[in-house]
Amino acid sequence: DGGITQSPKYLFRKEGQNVTLSCEQNLNHDAMYWYRQDPGQGLRLIYYSQIVNDFQKGDIAEGYSVSREKKESFPLTVTSAQKNPTAFYLCASSIGTFQPQHFGDGTRLSIL
Amino acid sequence: AQKVTQAQTEISVVEKEDVTLDCVYETRDTTYYLFWYKQPPSGELVFLIRRNSFDEQNEISGRYSWNFQKSTSSFNFTITASQVVDSAVYFCALSGYNQGGKLIFGQGTELSVKP
Repeated sequence: DGGITQSPKYLFRKEGQNVTLSCEQNLNHDAMYWYRQDPGQGLRLIYYSQIVNDFQKGDIAEGYSVSREKKESFPLTVTSAQKNPTAFYLCASSIGTFQPQHFGDGTRLSIL
Repeated sequence: AQKVTQAQTEISVVEKEDVTLDCVYETRDTTYYLFWYKQPPSGELVFLIRRNSFDEQNEISGRYSWNFQKSTSSFNFTITASQVVDSAVYFCALSGYNQGGKLIFGQGTELSVKP
């Protein structure tokens, strides 16, 4: 089945540690996105990529980094500079700009 | 600036009631796209509908219907004869043509349908 796979489902970060969230899609979509969701709030865009080897900052990129070396993969690193990383992280992809986005099951990140 | 407002934080209905979820948006773009997504307790978002700014026709899909009114900048979502399985958080979202494909989400409305 085609879809988006996020791993791990739960992740714990220690102080001063960088952690990487995985996002893989087999939908052959060009565009990929990372969102952060805090309790009772909507999704906020962290980074997005419309093509391989290119990506743009979203509204809350500080403390995060991404890479897009392959079409199907868009990993997100939460760096130690992100002081409040506890949240639910969702990855999405779409066939192109303004097209419906398909979402993964999310990764829940907590601080130890 | 773009903004999406879902003023209803939580709605609770009894099964078989009709319920309308409100969505009001702001954008300076003349071309834009509006979306509704459903987020069940499992967490993943499920796409429901996309409309572009030039198509104001209302749409019906089974028990779901959408009312798009540019004059009031609203894109409301109605569920007819609600069912327990409709319980979820529903998000309205906006993508303006000049915003590089970025999707702006509202805060979401949590719908609880009780048996």
